[in-house]
Amino acid sequence: DVKVTQSSRYLVKRTGEKVFLECVQDMDHENMFWYRQDPGLGLRLIYFSYDVKMKEKGDIPEGYSVSREKKERFSLILESASTNQTSMYLCAVGVNYGYTFGSGTRLTVV
Amino acid sequence: SQKIEQNSEALNIQEGKTATLTCNYTNYSPAYLQWYRQDPGRGPVFLLLIRENEKEKRKERLKVTFDTTLKQSLFHITASQPADSATYLCALSPYYGNNRLAFGKGNQVVVIP
Repeated sequence: DVKVTQSSRYLVKRTGEKVFLECVQDMDHENMFWYRQDPGLGLRLIYFSYDVKMKEKGDIPEGYSVSREKKERFSLILESASTNQTSMYLCAVGVNYGYTFGSGTRLTVV
Repeated sequence: SQKIEQNSEALNIQEGKTATLTCNYTNYSPAYLQWYRQDPGRGPVFLLLIRENEKEKRKERLKVTFDTTLKQSLFHITASQPADSATYLCALSPYYGNNRLAFGKGNQVVVIP
């Protein structure tokens, strides 16, 4: 089974900072996904990638970008953090018959 | 528009009873339907997958049914235990495309000892 590691469990950043969230998998899966999860809104897809240097926008890409330079690593970038980006961020790896999620990063922007 | 609906109210159930959760969907033709468990502050964990041509799937104390005519899945936890307390999410996926899953918002289960 694939292991998905998110670099930080908790993160506090200031408004306007550039924030990097890292996700690493220990296998060779092509598909990687970034979600944010907020109470009452469920999981919302920000971006996903189906190969190195390939990315597609999800449902809420505004204010975010991503980078996938190596197959095992998928980074989510908040170009200029804002308080409305305070959320739980979840990385997932998988195919349409099952995802493996990381433990999540609880980001607070102050 | 496409929708996946799960009950937003928590299900409180006595230990030992069967908990039943519902997932209804609109304007999807899923090839697979999946259920995930999520504990507070953690990522969802995959539990079960059922294919569109399957009516029922079991795994230990878990049972999932899939009715493509009703556009509904039922998720059962038999002989529930306090350790089953969590939020359960259903997810749909098509046959073709970019492997994106569509998730419901989840339904919380609280098992009372």
